[in-house]
Amino acid sequence: DTGVSQNPRHKITKRGQNVTFRCDPISEHNRLYWYRQTLGQGPEFLTYFQNEAQLEKSRLLSDRFSAERPKGSFSTLEIQRTEQGDSAMYLCASSLDRTANYGYTFGSGTRLTVV
Amino acid sequence: AQSVSQHNHHVILSEAASLELGCNYSYGGTVNLFWYVQYPGQHLQLLLKYFSGDPLVKGIKGFEAEFIKSKFSFNLRKPSVQWSDTAEYFCAVNEGGQNFVFGPGTRLSVLP
Repeated sequence: DTGVSQNPRHKITKRGQNVTFRCDPISEHNRLYWYRQTLGQGPEFLTYFQNEAQLEKSRLLSDRFSAERPKGSFSTLEIQRTEQGDSAMYLCASSLDRTANYGYTFGSGTRLTVV
Repeated sequence: AQSVSQHNHHVILSEAASLELGCNYSYGGTVNLFWYVQYPGQHLQLLLKYFSGDPLVKGIKGFEAEFIKSKFSFNLRKPSVQWSDTAEYFCAVNEGGQNFVFGPGTRLSVLP
């Protein structure tokens, strides 16, 4: 078990392009979370999955954002028509149901720069 | 809505100095409280957590935190910092729901 893995580590894209990030959680973890962290701020919740079901979405997740977890394992986060304000670190985390309140295991994040 | 504030944006200390990082939260109900640490170039790691019981919680690497309910505070302390403690520290609150609310973080720089 190598922890939560996120790819790519860095992504630079032009404004208006679509980008997709991938997260591979710890294999036995059924919960998967996406957070966004902008410079000088703490992580902000975006959405979470329990197995393949997306159970909660933050108001930060505009209609340009979509997340999937098709088989309850890895997840993807897609941003369509990127804007400069989307530049941030996108963090993925995972947990078990019974340990969710005890803290997650975070990945190293994908840093998105929109130019 | 819950919010978490951290008193200091950037703290600079010399090695062996004592550390206290402030954290206050705005939720009046029962909450779970956490401190996470992010070392340069690494992912967020759990430092310690408080759920109930003894309000003085001990974590890894000599860190501890004290929950003071009347002050809505959960301050992080360490008696003697080391250069390797240089990192960003985040206080977070979970009200038993599915997600955490994080504070803005405090950057700690320890000078050798």
